[in-house]
Amino acid sequence: EAQVTQNPRYLITVTGKKLTVTCSQNMNHEYMSWYRQDPGLGLRQIYYSMNVEVTDKGDVPEGYKVSRKEKRNFPLILESPSPNQTSLYFCASLSTSRSYNEQFFGPGTRLTVL
Amino acid sequence: KQEVTQIPAALSVPEGENLVLNCSFTDSAIYNLQWFRQDPGKGLTSLLLIQSSQREQTSGRLNASLDKSSGRSTLYIAASQPGDSATYLCAVNTDKLIFGTGTRLQVFP
Repeated sequence: EAQVTQNPRYLITVTGKKLTVTCSQNMNHEYMSWYRQDPGLGLRQIYYSMNVEVTDKGDVPEGYKVSRKEKRNFPLILESPSPNQTSLYFCASLSTSRSYNEQFFGPGTRLTVL
Repeated sequence: KQEVTQIPAALSVPEGENLVLNCSFTDSAIYNLQWFRQDPGKGLTSLLLIQSSQREQTSGRLNASLDKSSGRSTLYIAASQPGDSATYLCAVNTDKLIFGTGTRLQVFP
């Protein structure tokens, strides 16, 4: 089954404690992206990656890091989380080799930073 | 800067009604427009994707239209059911997806 998976699904942590949210897709997609969703603000892009070893900032990259060492994985790293990073996070992927360009989303990770 | 607006923000209708959700965008230079459904606390499910060259797409009881020149898209839901209750998001693709803030739909029996 074609899917995007994220782990963990729920995470409660404390300010300053480094964490990583993993994202993996099994569709051989080149493009992967991270979004955060906040009430009243909708979904905003954090970082994206056009292919392996290529990453770029989205609209709200501050406080986040990403890496793309393999095509299927795109982890989101919070080196020193702060309460304003409490949010619902989504990973997405799409194939840029197809003109269809439909994005597939993971189930989301709800992060609470105390 | 591309901005995406969805009206109404919330909608409550009785079962069986046909309804229209609206999405407008400020820059017509888009590759495509995608409609998503999001259930509370869950991920996004893609409903329909309309390429910039297309006027509409249909899937079951859903029909989405696109008028790129006027910066508008509508999602038409026929014969609504309680199971359609969710938040509906539209997103335009301009090298990246830019989302509207959604319409929260409740269909009551």
